[in-house]
Amino acid sequence: GAGVSQTPSNKVTEKGKYVELRCDPISGHTALYWYRQSLGQGPEFLIYFQGTGAADDSGLPNDRFFAVRPEGSVSTLKIQRTERGDSAVYLCASSDSPLGNTEAFFGQGTRLTVV
Amino acid sequence: GDSVTQMEGPVTLSEEAFLTINCTYTATGYPSLFWYVQYPGEGLQLLLKATKADDKGSNKGFEATYRKETTSFHLEKGSVQVSDSAVYFCALGSYNQGGKLIFGQGTELSVKP
Repeated sequence: GAGVSQTPSNKVTEKGKYVELRCDPISGHTALYWYRQSLGQGPEFLIYFQGTGAADDSGLPNDRFFAVRPEGSVSTLKIQRTERGDSAVYLCASSDSPLGNTEAFFGQGTRLTVV
Repeated sequence: GDSVTQMEGPVTLSEEAFLTINCTYTATGYPSLFWYVQYPGEGLQLLLKATKADDKGSNKGFEATYRKETTSFHLEKGSVQVSDSAVYFCALGSYNQGGKLIFGQGTELSVKP
């Protein structure tokens, strides 16, 4: 498809388990962003990739969270030892430039529920 | 740090009513400002943007003007429709921060026929 694709759309996991969330950006987009949206809140920035490298990971809440983008396209957000507080919608966005005035296109998100 | 504050919702209006959703921001430097919309069951979509002071962004009958003196970017529409029912997010983004967006908490709009 032409848009940002995120899989799975829903994920239920038990506390303490490991999860991976996948993002397929728009083809050719060099910038990729992960956000986390809790119920009733706006998205909060987690990490930003320019190409293969993480240019800004200041939003990752702790060392249980990690993200990769090995070939500069698909990205995976990895969460170890999940906690109930990790339950949220995880959003991915991509843009063709890291400039602040360029539109970022969002996927529909992965709803993560930790039980 | 940079931040965005939106008026709280939910906002309920009758069709054809005038809409204002307030948004103020705090930022160092000269950010770009955005309004994103999330329709039920869909992902976030860019509604409009403004990249410098006094710019007016507009789309689908919605408008917002970048006011540096009041650090505001209020969203307005003269006559809302039922199809405008959605959650609206104000956001700012800066070149010197790699284009990451800082969002407000969102304002839910419900338009009744």
